[in-house]
Amino acid sequence: DVKVTQSSRYLVKRTGEKVFLECVQDMDHENMFWYRQDPGLGLRLIYFSYDVKMKEKGDIPEGYSVSREKKERFSLILESASTNQTSMYLCASSLVTGSGGQYFGPGTRLTVT
Amino acid sequence: AQRVTQPEKLLSVFKGAPVELKCNYSYSGSPELFWYVQYSRQRLQLLLRHISRESIKGFTADLNKGETSFHLKKPFAQEEDSAMYYCALQTGANNLFFGTGTRLTVIP
Repeated sequence: DVKVTQSSRYLVKRTGEKVFLECVQDMDHENMFWYRQDPGLGLRLIYFSYDVKMKEKGDIPEGYSVSREKKERFSLILESASTNQTSMYLCASSLVTGSGGQYFGPGTRLTVT
Repeated sequence: AQRVTQPEKLLSVFKGAPVELKCNYSYSGSPELFWYVQYSRQRLQLLLRHISRESIKGFTADLNKGETSFHLKKPFAQEEDSAMYYCALQTGANNLFFGTGTRLTVIP
């Protein structure tokens, strides 16, 4: 069974703080993804990575950066948190090919005050 | 550009009634489509994919390329089907583009 874990379920940060969200998967998946989930907007892709030290921008990368130093770990960084980044953040992983779909973590609900 | 449309934000049906969650897509390539489900307080999980032509928990979905649709259907809704459902289109190497979701409520 694929396990994707995220470092925190709930996080409260202040405006301007640097925020790190961590994601770890244990199935040796090549691909990893960060989404934000907002009511009425669905899931929107922030960044994704196909390999270690490799990253690609998704649909809404502004205000975010990522790091992938090891295959199993993908970090999302909010350089200077703002209130409009209050959201549910979902991490996912998948194999590089095939139609197996993506496996999601439980999510981190981030509140920026 | 790709687009996934789920026209209903909310859908309520009575237990035992048929349910259909609509999904339309726009994509210039060969589409691969998925339905994901998120039950209350649980993580988002894959429900079914069109390429498998499978039935999961009584749900089926047929890809209609002529109508560019991938509607999710179940003949008899159960209370445990109440959840958030997302239709997703795969582009590139496993990138998914999600619709905005439909919250299904099954009324006892």
